[in-house]
Amino acid sequence: GAVVSQHPSWVICKSGTSVKIECRSLDFQATTMFWYRQFPKQSLMLMATSNEGSKATYEQGVEKDKFLINHASLTLSTLTVTSAHPEDSSFYICSARPGAIGEKLFFGSGTQLSVL
Amino acid sequence: DAKTTQPPSMDCAEGRAANLPCNHSTISGNEYVYWYRQIHSQGPQYIIHGLKNNETNEMASLIITEDRKSSTLILPHATLRDTAVYYCIVRSGGSNYKLTFGKGTLLTVNP
Repeated sequence: GAVVSQHPSWVICKSGTSVKIECRSLDFQATTMFWYRQFPKQSLMLMATSNEGSKATYEQGVEKDKFLINHASLTLSTLTVTSAHPEDSSFYICSARPGAIGEKLFFGSGTQLSVL
Repeated sequence: DAKTTQPPSMDCAEGRAANLPCNHSTISGNEYVYWYRQIHSQGPQYIIHGLKNNETNEMASLIITEDRKSSTLILPHATLRDTAVYYCIVRSGGSNYKLTFGKGTLLTVNP
């Protein structure tokens, strides 16, 4: 099946710094990518939808200036958590939709962010 | 998208079939039923999806009732590695591919 690679798997950073998470579709072109956040023992919460070459669409309550999403190519989307704070500590997961056969979404393995 | 209701947890003996129910009584005609699972600290894994007909693949079978108000995911021979949270998701057809995750069912497969 299609593979979505997410990097890094985990990251620890100091409060106030920015962290970038990459999501790559390895063997298909992803016209649409989604970013989710998951707190411990909770379900996945959709943060934003990004389409290649256009601005991301954020879900209600998600700060677009804090969570910067770039989808510059059909195989790469990035999420940058700016000025991270301890409450941003969470498991971040991306997913990608293959443009041509897009009935399924494929998910990355997730990034565990810990902000000290 | 229609809301889904799943039991919070289920147990199953290794080697036996695991039957995971899902209610989606407000589903509309163009909405698909998707199943994903999430093993601890990993990203969700696609299992199967369907619209009206029952579906089967190498991982599982999906049984959708005739009125489409409920469905059952069947893992025919559960193994310990099938222990995970299973999510039943209803998604409308067309260009909106957002998946909204509920709380899912924690399936524990016991030896």
